[in-house]
Amino acid sequence: GAGVSQSPSNKVTEKGKDVELRCDPISGHTALYWYRQSLGQGLEFLIYFQGNSAPDKSGLPSDRFSAERTGGSVSTLTIQRTQQEDSAVYLCASSPTGWETQYFGPGTRLLVL
Amino acid sequence: QQQVKQSPQSLIVQKGGISIINCAYENTAFDYFPWYQQFPGKGPALLIAIRPDVSEKKEGRFTISFNKSAKQFSLHIMDSQPGDSATYFCAASFPGYSTLTFGKGTMLLVSP
Repeated sequence: GAGVSQSPSNKVTEKGKDVELRCDPISGHTALYWYRQSLGQGLEFLIYFQGNSAPDKSGLPSDRFSAERTGGSVSTLTIQRTQQEDSAVYLCASSPTGWETQYFGPGTRLLVL
Repeated sequence: QQQVKQSPQSLIVQKGGISIINCAYENTAFDYFPWYQQFPGKGPALLIAIRPDVSEKKEGRFTISFNKSAKQFSLHIMDSQPGDSATYFCAASFPGYSTLTFGKGTMLLVSP
């Protein structure tokens, strides 16, 4: 079946611009996660959605970052007033239960010039 | 206390050799320890996972060894193959808490 999809696969933007990254989770998965992967820094948790519960936003690095999940399915990560240090791969993952196995998408590679 | 420390940062192993990657944690509340494998341009994928009630878990050529008293766990890849060349991440999570804390990754290269 279809896995987690993310779009765009690559995004180049100028410093100060806003960007939106999209994630389509596996159908039926109640949990959705956003991570940031920087070179040599591993996977940094950003935000977690579980069903209709309030999202866990504890990993968002600043108030320029926000995310929403509509209808318990598609999610959008928004970065406002992008900075060069925001350049990274942004990964989305989903899980059927919010526990144990997470299924990752291929990521969006963001470059801020 | 939520950190997971992974070593080495990179590893080169000859084909047929054993690859060993180590992780250490501080928080004894962690109770789920997965390993993820990531190929270039792809997202990570679950490789194998263990809980603290067992000391070892084997799936094919991949084995997790877990030492609860030392708060360490490791991934062993037996008969390493060039197709195993990837970045490997260890992770840990708390009971009832769905977020994984990842190590910084190990880039494995298996030379032909």
